[in-house]
Amino acid sequence: RKEVEQDPGPFNVPEGATVAFNCTYSNSASQSFFWYRQDCRKEPKLLMSVYSSGNEDGRFTAQLNRASQYISLLIRDSKLSDSATYLCVVNTRNTGGFKTIFGAGTRLFVKA
Amino acid sequence: GAGVSQSPSNKVTEKGKDVELRCDPISGHTALYWYRQSLGQGLEFLIYFQGNSAPDKSGLPSDRFSAERTGGSVSTLTIQRTQQEDSAVYLCASSLDKAGTNYGYTFGSGTRLTVV
Repeated sequence: RKEVEQDPGPFNVPEGATVAFNCTYSNSASQSFFWYRQDCRKEPKLLMSVYSSGNEDGRFTAQLNRASQYISLLIRDSKLSDSATYLCVVNTRNTGGFKTIFGAGTRLFVKA
Repeated sequence: GAGVSQSPSNKVTEKGKDVELRCDPISGHTALYWYRQSLGQGLEFLIYFQGNSAPDKSGLPSDRFSAERTGGSVSTLTIQRTQQEDSAVYLCASSLDKAGTNYGYTFGSGTRLTVV
């Protein structure tokens, strides 16, 4: 089992739709979590952190479920400009310090 | 600088040549990472520098790969005797805290390496 797994998609949704992605992680000791966005042929950019209590930034909501070991990203009222690959990131403390693992990404296409 | 700066942005090299890729992190960021990404693939961790600690080299794919970080700032990734499978985008990222645990990473725009 991979340490961090994402549904690769692609998710094809119409403008205005609500779409949700999940990301599962295998290490229960993982401590911090993020969602990144990567546009085609560009570098990843931090979208939002994921807090235990859940957090919202405009149309985007991130949640953490420690019991089931997954994080989620919900996008409401999808825009064409939301089309990108969404990467989840999991940080885990280990004996050497911290280990950061990126998921392989979920591709989203928002269509007019 | 305002962001993470990488150079060159594109590099085409002949198989067997050595290449050096440079990363200038955000001023004050103590953590620096190198990743590579092949076309359509996810990010592959290469190496991690944190302050003055010994780097985590566990992701380097072979002894042809090495990296240095001088003075806790600029980093250079060197690939010796390049092979075609080394072709990828090499991304550098920096973080204010250890492993980006609180603030996440800021990535540079990458160096696209093509080995012909």
